[in-house]
Amino acid sequence: GQSLEQPSEVTAVEGAIVQINCTYQTSGFYGLSWYQQHDGGAPTFLSYNALDGLEETGRFSSFLSRSDSYGYLLLQELQMKDSASYFCAVTDSWGKLQFGAGTQVVVTP
Amino acid sequence: DSGVTQTPKHLITATGQRVTLRCSPRSGDLSVYWYQQSLDQGLQFLIQYYNGEERAKGNILERFSAQQFPDLHSELNLSSLELGDSALYFCASSVEQEAYEQYFGPGTRLTVT
Repeated sequence: GQSLEQPSEVTAVEGAIVQINCTYQTSGFYGLSWYQQHDGGAPTFLSYNALDGLEETGRFSSFLSRSDSYGYLLLQELQMKDSASYFCAVTDSWGKLQFGAGTQVVVTP
Repeated sequence: DSGVTQTPKHLITATGQRVTLRCSPRSGDLSVYWYQQSLDQGLQFLIQYYNGEERAKGNILERFSAQQFPDLHSELNLSSLELGDSALYFCASSVEQEAYEQYFGPGTRLTVT
């Protein structure tokens, strides 16, 4: 079977750095994606890692270690608009996306 | 705006009824995915279609069915509705069959009373 674990909530102040960890157990792993979802909104794609290492996209970076079945999303220079839920998702050998339960990031002034 | 459209935006219906949710993918996208998101829950994959053919199935109930039409729009049919079916239903699309980058529609909020 497949399982993904990520923290349920993280709180940080504006300007801070937040790291959201994701560990997974899956067969036929292809890659790890991250999606952002604001309350009541549609999930939007943030990043994808197929290989080990760090991918940087502006203030957001994502990391993957395939040997450790672990990845993280790093949010830098936090802004109020970053308050949202963040989901890690594994692409399996069938091309399906399996989502984690999500991490709610709360940014305070 | 992702380019994926879903109708209706909201739907309120009674237990035992049947509803149809509609999705139009982004122009050029051949894959359509359906997800269910219950309150404070993650996204549960239901089913995927690629160019009219069923490609992958998740934990979709037998009371639920879907199809993708020649113009690539898709419909999700939910029948014998139960209170527990109340959820946000998302459609997503992608160009490829196996896509880590999916574009989600705004969702249909279904309330079963």
